[in-house]
Amino acid sequence: NAGVTQTPKFRVLKTGQSMTLLCAQDMNHEYMYWYRQDPGMGLRLIHYSVGEGTTAKGEVPDGYNVSRLKKQNFLLGLESAAPSQTSVYFCASIQATRYNQPQHFGDGTRLSIL
Amino acid sequence: TQLLEQSPQFLSIQEGENLTVYCNSSSVFSSLQWYRQEPGEGPVLLVTVVTGGEVKKLKRLTFQFGDARKDSSLHITAAQPGDTGLYLCAGDGGSQGNLIFGKGTKLSVKP
Repeated sequence: NAGVTQTPKFRVLKTGQSMTLLCAQDMNHEYMYWYRQDPGMGLRLIHYSVGEGTTAKGEVPDGYNVSRLKKQNFLLGLESAAPSQTSVYFCASIQATRYNQPQHFGDGTRLSIL
Repeated sequence: TQLLEQSPQFLSIQEGENLTVYCNSSSVFSSLQWYRQEPGEGPVLLVTVVTGGEVKKLKRLTFQFGDARKDSSLHITAAQPGDTGLYLCAGDGGSQGNLIFGKGTKLSVKP
């Protein structure tokens, strides 16, 4: 069972470079989320999607863009990377928004911006 | 803005000791979840509590939801090295399934 798969697992970028992080889920989930995790900060929501073709801003959306062209994929883009975007990025998904549904997480992408 | 304060931030104990992790807020949540995260992996759900005063047990782990649904606690009895990890509490953040996470408690259990 693959669940939620994130690629790449690691990446080092130079300031100003762009890149796209891919999240793929094989559980036919409707809702998908992108978080960033920084030491001592917990997980903070960047953007989320409630279905194919929809996206919305979370708590810390600046400097990021997202797209959900296919239900199973949720892409996170950095147009011009900055050192402040060095973080571990997690993608998560759920089938429905009933309060007792667990979010299923990928294993993260570790991104360093030099 | 809903916030979840977790304490302590770090906890280092010996095998066999008991410990409690707290998750507090000034806001009411309709549910709270506890996740455990190991290095290099994503968080994995341990439990969801939904009713004020609810107590749930998962082997040596006991989870409690406050009567007013503003706080929760995780108690581990006779901790083992395998309990080592980052424990995160998360409250429901709205109708879009968003979660609001606490900053986490990093637990280290030494043999």
